[in-house]
Amino acid sequence: KNEVEQSPQNLTAQEGEFITINCSYSVGISALHWLQQHPGGGIVSLFMLSSGKKKHGRLIATINIQEKHSSLHITASHPRDSAVYICAVPQIGWGAQKLVFGQGTRLTINP
Amino acid sequence: EAQVTQNPRYLITVTGKKLTVTCSQNMNHEYMSWYRQDPGLGLRQIYYSMNVEVTDKGDVPEGYKVSRKEKRNFPLILESPSPNQTSLYFCASSSGSLSNQPQHFGDGTRLSIL
Repeated sequence: KNEVEQSPQNLTAQEGEFITINCSYSVGISALHWLQQHPGGGIVSLFMLSSGKKKHGRLIATINIQEKHSSLHITASHPRDSAVYICAVPQIGWGAQKLVFGQGTRLTINP
Repeated sequence: EAQVTQNPRYLITVTGKKLTVTCSQNMNHEYMSWYRQDPGLGLRQIYYSMNVEVTDKGDVPEGYKVSRKEKRNFPLILESPSPNQTSLYFCASSSGSLSNQPQHFGDGTRLSIL
């Protein structure tokens, strides 16, 4: 089974700072998902990527397949970015429908 | 609007009283899953379904049942709930394999079993 580790577990920063959240996994994967969970509890899928880089607004996700590592970056951070960010990878087999989740990174952006 | 709808959003009940959490999606997705989220343990998969009448266990299926009689619905059934099933539950759907498709999540159901 794939093991997924995120760092840091908690991150507090000031508005405007550049944020990086890291995700490492132990077994080769077909894709990696980044999720955002706001304090209200709802979960939103931010990115799904299998190679290279994806960008959406101020959010950038990168993945290095050889190093089994992905990063989520937030540029010009804002208090509304405060949330828990979770990475997840599909387990090999099972129609790629079984996900293994990281423990999440709690991000707090202070004004 | 494309969405995954869970009901109820909140429920407090007692041990042993059967309950069903409904999940419905309007995107014609084939794939659906149930997750539970607990402090310190994160998100864990309970059951998933790849199509009508096709379901399989996730990592924590004990104490739960599911059914997939229609494409849009994927109810989670707790036949005899116990306090250790107190948790935040999420239903999710995707149009294909999670190797190449994102998931859409419901708003969550917070269950308290006394």
